Amino acid sequence: GQQLNQSPQSMFIQEGEDVSMNCTSSSIFNTWLWYKQDPGEGPVLLIALYKAGELTSNGRLTAQFGITRKDSFLNISASIPSDVGIYFCAGPVGTSYGKLTFGQGTILTVHP
Amino acid sequence: GAVVSQHPSWVICKSGTSVKIECRSLDFQATTMFWYRQFPKQSLMLMATSNEGSKATYEQGVEKDKFLINHASLTLSTLTVTSAHPEDSSFYICSARDLGSNQPQHFGDGTRLSIL
Repeated sequence: GQQLNQSPQSMFIQEGEDVSMNCTSSSIFNTWLWYKQDPGEGPVLLIALYKAGELTSNGRLTAQFGITRKDSFLNISASIPSDVGIYFCAGPVGTSYGKLTFGQGTILTVHP
Repeated sequence: GAVVSQHPSWVICKSGTSVKIECRSLDFQATTMFWYRQFPKQSLMLMATSNEGSKATYEQGVEKDKFLINHASLTLSTLTVTSAHPEDSSFYICSARDLGSNQPQHFGDGTRLSIL
């Protein structure tokens, strides 16, 4: 099946540092999504990528859709305490855009 | 923007009780909604696809008689966990996509279910 391998599993950084996490798959994806989940809440969409090679920014966040369509990365620059949470990559299952498969998640801790 | 509301946000009940969770799309219509389950420190796992006016489709390994799904209108899907047991304790999250936009699906805030 289509599985996403996300790394690292967790990160402990100082406020102000930059962060990078990535997602890979053995299958080709036509869309890559990055979500953030705060404790006790549902995931919130950060960035959506639709084209191979696409580089998209959302404030301090930047994500890229790999040219092979089998990987994506998310960068966070100048981290702040509210960046704490779990970050997930996700992609559509098969041809159904609605059904998503998620990576294992990256737990980010930011020390003030 | 599109909002998905989930209710209740938290429920505690005794083993053997059936629990209903509602998922509503507040400002758009959704012919399809999705139900996910998330155990502590794990990722979201798709349980089933809720289809308005027809039967839900379940992912492999998910018991359809255990997790009853009803999608009676274009803005409401319900998940009923029947005869819940402690192993059903989890975080249940629904999502929906506004077909009138080109945005990916939006998620509800989840329901924390604790079975004693």
